[in-house]
Amino acid sequence: GENVEQHPSTLSVQEGDSAVIKCTYSDSASNYFPWYKQELGKRPQLIIDIRSNVGEKKDQRIAVTLNKTAKHFSLHITETQPEDSAVYFCAASPFLGSGGSNYKLTFGKGTLLTVNP
Amino acid sequence: SQTIHQWPATLVQPVGSPLSLECTVEGTSNPNLYWYRQAAGRGLQLLFYSVGIGQISSEVPQNLSASRPQDRQFILSSKKLLLSDSGFYLCAWAPILPRNEQFFGPGTRLTVL
Repeated sequence: GENVEQHPSTLSVQEGDSAVIKCTYSDSASNYFPWYKQELGKRPQLIIDIRSNVGEKKDQRIAVTLNKTAKHFSLHITETQPEDSAVYFCAASPFLGSGGSNYKLTFGKGTLLTVNP
Repeated sequence: SQTIHQWPATLVQPVGSPLSLECTVEGTSNPNLYWYRQAAGRGLQLLFYSVGIGQISSEVPQNLSASRPQDRQFILSSKKLLLSDSGFYLCAWAPILPRNEQFFGPGTRLTVL
C-alpha cells in the first residue's frame, strides 16, 4: 500500500518568513495530493490540493509543488502570519480507479507549524 | 451545500462500557464515508470506510466496529471500551468518483477512564 512520509515534524518561523513542508510517497499510482490544516481542537480543513497533471498550484499565500518523478510534493506558505499556526497534513491517493482501496487517502504524520509574532 | 454532523461532541466513558458515535451527512447522495481516530492530537489513523449501505472495510484490527444503516449515516461502535480507545474521532465524507476530496466532521473527543 501507499506510504507517505512528512518532514519536518515541527517547524517554527518568524512572522513574515516562508515555511516549507515536504512529503514523499511510495505508490507511483497515486495522483491526487491534498493538504489539510488542523487548528488546535478542530477538524482538519482542506486548504489546497494538486493532481498529477500539473506541477504547481497557487492560492494566494499558499502553493503546492509536485515532482512525480521523484515522488515528492511540498507545501509553501509565504508571508506567514500567526493565524497560520496549526498542524498541517499531506496525503496521497489514486485519483481514479475501482475497488475499495482506491477510495482512501494515506496521510503523513503531520507538521506542527508555529509562527512567532 | 453539504454538511456533516457528529455527535456527541465530547464523551467520557468508563472502561468496559459500550460506545456508539454517529455521523450523518446532508446535501449529498451516495457519499464515501470514513472513520478516523486521532490520538495525542497528531496523526490521523483510518479505522473504517464505506462506499455504500452495508459495505464496511476495516483498516486495523481492534475492538471497534462500524455500520452504515442508511446512505448518509455512519456509526462507530464498541461493546467494551479500552483505555487505549481514548482520542479524537473524526468522520469524513467524500463525493463519489472521480473526485477524491475528503471533508471532515467536527469530531467527537472520547475519554475512557
